[in-house]
Amino acid sequence: QKEVEQNSGPLSVPEGAIASLNCTYSDRGSQSFFWYRQYSGKSPELIMSIYSNGDKEDGRFTAQLNKASQYVSLLIRDSQPSDSATYLCAVNPGGGADGLTFGKGTHLIIQP
Amino acid sequence: GAVVSQHPSRVICKSGTSVKIECRSLDFQATTMFWYRQFPKQSLMLMATSNEGSKATYEQGVEKDKFLINHASLTLSTLTVTSAHPEDSSFYICSARVGDGETQYFGPGTRLLVL
Repeated sequence: QKEVEQNSGPLSVPEGAIASLNCTYSDRGSQSFFWYRQYSGKSPELIMSIYSNGDKEDGRFTAQLNKASQYVSLLIRDSQPSDSATYLCAVNPGGGADGLTFGKGTHLIIQP
Repeated sequence: GAVVSQHPSRVICKSGTSVKIECRSLDFQATTMFWYRQFPKQSLMLMATSNEGSKATYEQGVEKDKFLINHASLTLSTLTVTSAHPEDSSFYICSARVGDGETQYFGPGTRLLVL
């Protein structure tokens, strides 16, 4: 069973601080990793994708991948109240045309 | 970015009826679309992979005769929930791959309530 694990939270972070979200996955052969944001009642929207070990930055977001530890993280700098949402970690186990395996998500709350 | 639409956004039906959900890629052609289901406070679970012009591939535990998928064109996939029951009530979300890339873009979802 291929699994993606996330701490469900809630994770409470003061406005302006750094929010750190973590994810581990079980399939060592996984190649592609994604972070999605999901607001209550809405469908997921893509934040970041990462394929190689190391860091990838996009604006206030930084994704980090460590394939040896089977670990993916997302950092959100200068957190804003609008960042309050559930963050889903998703893994494409086989690459290419495969569907995604999602974690249950971390509920993030940014306190004004 | 790539835009995916779904219709209807919300549907309420009686037990035993069938419901069709459409998923369209609006500004790109999608050879592969995916159907997911999300129960309250749960994550998205992949139901099936829909390939244009061929039969869908269903995940283990998903009844192919109950959840009929048709991907008749490069911009449209449909999911029909046949003989719906209250336990089929869920949030159904489709996604589409852009070209040969691995990124999937999600539609807005369809909330199904079976009474």
